[in-house]
Formats: sequence, C-alpha cells, structure tokens
Amino acid sequence: GQQVMQIPQYQHVQEGEDFTTYCNSSTTLSNIQWYKQRPGGHPVFLIQLVKSGEVKKQKRLTFQFGEAKKNSSLHITATQTTDVGTYFCAGEGGSNYKLTFGKGTLLTVNP
Amino acid sequence: DVKVTQSSRYLVKRTGEKVFLECVQDMDHENMFWYRQDPGLGLRLIYFSYDVKMKEKGDIPEGYSVSREKKERFSLILESASTSQTSMYLCASSPRVLYEQYFGPGTRLTVT
Repeated sequence: GQQVMQIPQYQHVQEGEDFTTYCNSSTTLSNIQWYKQRPGGHPVFLIQLVKSGEVKKQKRLTFQFGEAKKNSSLHITATQTTDVGTYFCAGEGGSNYKLTFGKGTLLTVNP
Repeated sequence: DVKVTQSSRYLVKRTGEKVFLECVQDMDHENMFWYRQDPGLGLRLIYFSYDVKMKEKGDIPEGYSVSREKKERFSLILESASTSQTSMYLCASSPRVLYEQYFGPGTRLTVT
C-alpha cells in the first residue's frame, strides 16, 4: 500500500534557527496536506498543495510540493517557541480517496 | 468555526468490555474519520465514512466497527476491548473527499 515517510523524526533547534521537515511518498500524490499538533493537542490543518512544483507561504512557513508530486517539505524560518509541536504531512496517491499520514516530525525549540 | 467533539477525554475500560467512542461535528461535513495515534507510529486510519450509513475500512480496522446513523455523528465501537487497543483515538471530519480535516480533542483510552 501507499507509504508516506517523513524525516527527521525529531529536531531540536535553538530559537531563531531554521527548521525543515521532509515528506516522501512511494507513489505519486494527488495532493499533500500539512498539519501541526501542539503538545497535548490535536492536529490542526495548516495547508494543502495540489500542483506540481507548488510553493506556498504562511508568514515564516514555506511549503513546497515536488515536481514529480512524490515529495514535499515544510520550512520554518527563524523558529520561535510557539513553533513547538509535531508536524505531519498527509497525502493521497492510490485513488482510494483516503489520506495516509506520515509519522510526523517533533520540533522542540530552546529559548 | 468547525467544531468536532468527542464524548470523553479519558476513558478506562477492562479487557473484554464493549466500548463506544462518540464523535459529533457541527458543520454538516460529509466525511468523518477515526484514527488512533500511538508514539512513533503517527496517525493510523481505522475507519472512515463518506455518507450516512456508509463506511470504509482504513488501514487498521481489525477489532473495531463503526456506525453512522446521522450525518453529524460517527461512533467507533470496540466489540471486546484488549490491552493492545490502549491508545489515543482521534475523530475528524472534512467537508468533501480529500479536503482539509478537522480533528476533535481526542479520547485517551486505557484498557486494563
């Protein structure tokens, strides 16, 4: 079945440093979604990418969808303590109309 | 704002008990989902429903069943709870297939 792999599993940064998490799929994706889960909270939708090579920005967050639609990345510029949490990617690529989530990247930020 | 509520935040049950987890959404969404979340394993889809009385198996349906009698309500049933089903259970809804999902606060189930 479809697999969505996410790296790294953990990332610890100093406040102000940049952060990137990567998502790779075993199949071509029709779309990719990103979610953030704060410690003790539930996943919250951030963004959806659907076009090959698409790049979207939300303030300090930059999301990219690969040209082949098999990978994606989330980059945070100048991390803040409010960025702490687990970032998940989720994609659909098997014509079964359900999302497969990556295992997430846990970001911790040292103030 | 979309609101997804789950019947309990914490639940403790004994092995062999029948367990009902309830989820209600207030935005008339067509699709509803049940996931379980375990450390190191991320979110795994148990079942989903794209319409009333419709259900589809997810990646890990064994030991679970679901019910959707009304559009706003999606129930997860553990017919005979086992310790391996101790987990965080998250319900979600989305307006259409492959649209963004809105998650409830989760139910942390412990089976002893």
